[in-house]
Amino acid sequence: RKEVEQDPGPFNVPEGATVAFNCTYSNSASQSFFWYRQDCRKEPKLLMSVYSSGNEDGRFTAQLNRASQYISLLIRDSKLSDSATYLCVVNWEGGFKTIFGAGTRLFVKA
Amino acid sequence: EADIYQTPRYLVIGTGKKITLECSQTMGHDKMYWYQQDPGMELHLIHYSYGVNSTEKGDLSSESTVSRIRTEHFPLTLESARPSHTSQYLCASSDTRAFFGQGTRLTVV
Repeated sequence: RKEVEQDPGPFNVPEGATVAFNCTYSNSASQSFFWYRQDCRKEPKLLMSVYSSGNEDGRFTAQLNRASQYISLLIRDSKLSDSATYLCVVNWEGGFKTIFGAGTRLFVKA
Repeated sequence: EADIYQTPRYLVIGTGKKITLECSQTMGHDKMYWYQQDPGMELHLIHYSYGVNSTEKGDLSSESTVSRIRTEHFPLTLESARPSHTSQYLCASSDTRAFFGQGTRLTVV
């Protein structure tokens, strides 16, 4: 079993739709969590950190469920420019162990 | 924007050549990483370092080697390039958040 698992997708949604991705992790000692975005043939870029109480950044909402060991990303009012691969990242041992999920591909259509 | 730089951005080289991919960061991060990624595929960790004089192999077996003589510099070397090494190589550094360079797209012919 992989340490961090994501549904690879692709998710094909129309503009304006709400879409959600989940990511599960196996290490209960995981300490910090992030979502990254990677555009085609570009490097991954930090989208947002994920806090225990949940957090929002504009149209993006991230949540953490420690009991079930998953994090989620919700995108509201999808834009064409949201089309990308979304990677979940989990850290433990004070950040010395950093594991990237394989990514979930999102296509937003006009 | 993150202060982590990779050179060259693109490299086409013949089989058997020795190459070094450069990665430098000015954020003072102790942790640095090299990933290999083929188009449309996931990231594979090939090397990492927790600080000066620390290097470890990652999850994906790689014929490359790395060194960490200075905090800011983490070069990756292939002693004898082969077509199977054709890929994108991404360097990252982190405190707890990882920041990536723009990558080196390597083609071995």
